[in-house]
Amino acid sequence: KQEVTQIPAALSVPEGENLVLNCSFTDSAIYNLQWFRQDPGKGLTSLLLIQSSQREQTSGRLNASLDKSSGRSTLYIAASQPGDSATYLCVVGSNYQLIWGAGTKLIIKP
Amino acid sequence: DAGITQSPRHKVTETGTPVTLRCHQTENHRYMYWYRQDPGHGLRLIHYSYGVKDTDKGEVSDGYSVSRSKTEDFLLTLESATSSQTSVYFCAISESWSGSGYTFGSGTRLTVV
Repeated sequence: KQEVTQIPAALSVPEGENLVLNCSFTDSAIYNLQWFRQDPGKGLTSLLLIQSSQREQTSGRLNASLDKSSGRSTLYIAASQPGDSATYLCVVGSNYQLIWGAGTKLIIKP
Repeated sequence: DAGITQSPRHKVTETGTPVTLRCHQTENHRYMYWYRQDPGHGLRLIHYSYGVKDTDKGEVSDGYSVSRSKTEDFLLTLESATSSQTSVYFCAISESWSGSGYTFGSGTRLTVV
């Protein structure tokens, strides 16, 4: 059974730092992996989608990598800003299902 | 979110009463999903639909039913609400089963007292 884990559950860093969020999965047979952002009291917004044949995707200050063999994905945020404060979730497409991690709550301190 | 709306946004109901949540999309996407989100559990799939009148159970379907009579509407019904169903409910739509083009609604906060 595919399991998705995000560590740490919460992270607080000063503004301007580069940071990495981690997502691990137990079964390497995946179709894709996505990163979402959720602001308090709001829905989820898709950030990046990596297909299984890809190694990384970039959008602005965000870069997501995928290593299927090790069952890991990272979301790199460059030059963090207070507006990046949110919960970040990864979700894996696997075995005709979408399996969600519990998220990492990120706080960027001004 | 553009293209998908949920109603109501907030609801308080009593234990034992039926409750229906509505999800409406204007994107003409084939796939629609109902999730619940609880602290410590992340997002859990309740039911999903892959076409008009085509639905299937997700991970936590007990106590819930769904209907999809039109492409644009996906209804979630709690037959007899219980306190354990207090949660935030999200509807999502996607172009494919793999989740590409996934869009979420803003959520419905349901409290069962």
